[in-house]
Amino acid sequence: KQEVTQIPAALSVPEGENLVLNCSFTDSAIYNLQWFRQDPGKGLTSLLLIQSSQREQTSGRLNASLDKSSGRSTLYIAASQPGDSATYLCAAGEGPYKYIFGTGTRLKVLA
Amino acid sequence: DTGVSQDPRHKITKRGQNVTFRCDPISEHNRLYWYRQTLGQGPEFLTYFQNEAQLEKSRLLSDRFSAERPKGSFSTLEIQRTEQGDSAMYLCASSLGTGVGNTEAFFGQGTRLTVV
Repeated sequence: KQEVTQIPAALSVPEGENLVLNCSFTDSAIYNLQWFRQDPGKGLTSLLLIQSSQREQTSGRLNASLDKSSGRSTLYIAASQPGDSATYLCAAGEGPYKYIFGTGTRLKVLA
Repeated sequence: DTGVSQDPRHKITKRGQNVTFRCDPISEHNRLYWYRQTLGQGPEFLTYFQNEAQLEKSRLLSDRFSAERPKGSFSTLEIQRTEQGDSAMYLCASSLGTGVGNTEAFFGQGTRLTVV
């Protein structure tokens, strides 16, 4: 059974710092891995999707990497801003349509 | 098309009542998913539709829950005889599936259900 873990559970950093959020999964046979952002009381916003054959994806200040063999993905946020404050969720694609989510990392970027 | 739309955004109901939620996916997306999220947890998979066919249901989806996607367009999730443990955020998502591939899953804003 696939299990997804995210470390740390919470993170508070000063504005401008570069930071790394970690995601690990127990079954390396994933179809893809997707990172989401969730603001309090809101739905999920897709950030990056990495297919199983890819090693990384980039969008603006965000870079996500995937290492299937070690069961890890990282989300790198460059030059963090207060507007980046949110919960970040990773989801491992179990089969082509079902995602298994971690419990998220709550990020607070201090001005 | 502005994304996945869910209605209502909030629902408060008394225990034992039936509730129905609606999800309108992104128009060209053939795959539709329902997830449930409780406070402090990640979303948990409930069920999945490819076009109008419901292809998988989680064990979380007890017989009080039923989901439909008539004509492969919008979907409804009904909970009968609600219990306090049903209180959660119900999230709908859609994606474009091609064979065994999958594009990004896009989520709606969710329906927050409170059972009192």
